[in-house]
Amino acid sequence: EAGVAQSPRYKIIEKRQSVAFWCNPISGHATLYWYQQILGQGPKLLIQFQNNGVVDDSQLPKDRFSAERLKGVDSTLKIQPAKLEDSAVYLCASSYIGRRFTEAFFGQGTRLTVV
Amino acid sequence: AQSVSQHNHHVILSEAASLELGCNYSYGGTVNLFWYVQYPGQHLQLLLKYFSGDPLVKGIKGFEAEFIKSKFSFNLRKPSVQWSDTAEYFCAVNGHSGNTPLVFGKGTRLSVIA
Repeated sequence: EAGVAQSPRYKIIEKRQSVAFWCNPISGHATLYWYQQILGQGPKLLIQFQNNGVVDDSQLPKDRFSAERLKGVDSTLKIQPAKLEDSAVYLCASSYIGRRFTEAFFGQGTRLTVV
Repeated sequence: AQSVSQHNHHVILSEAASLELGCNYSYGGTVNLFWYVQYPGQHLQLLLKYFSGDPLVKGIKGFEAEFIKSKFSFNLRKPSVQWSDTAEYFCAVNGHSGNTPLVFGKGTRLSVIA
């Protein structure tokens, strides 16, 4: 079974530039998450989708971050404009909705460095 | 608010030593509990999970964890660590019902030395 795919793996940008990350979840997984992992901390949820609808975006800094999952499959997370404190690994995860939650599967992440 | 506390930031052990990593959570209602591991350069992988039933759960690679409801704890253990266990370990929790996202602790970095 193919895992969660993310691209790019690494990105270096200057502050105030924009950047976009892409994620393709495991086939058949209706739920998709974006997490931000700052160095030395655990992953923090940015947004959760179920199919193409947003379930939880309470921790997404909406003044600069946006995310979409238009067809309920792959997703894009965008930052515009980037700040130094956005340097982090951005993780995408997906899970299957059955009778109950089982586990979330994670991609390898995109390491963003803002200089 | 939902939260997970991992007591140890960095643990250094010699090979064959026993391991116990602490995890406490704060979450309203019935929970699912998880330990994820991240080996250097790799993605987060599930080590083990607890949903219900026997509070002692066994995972991959000889790891186990015990859910103690009265202490809101889910500590990870391994009787004898190997060099290949060097990794970052994350405890996580989500709600038992519904499709709620995982809340993670800050992680514990384990270094196993020969």
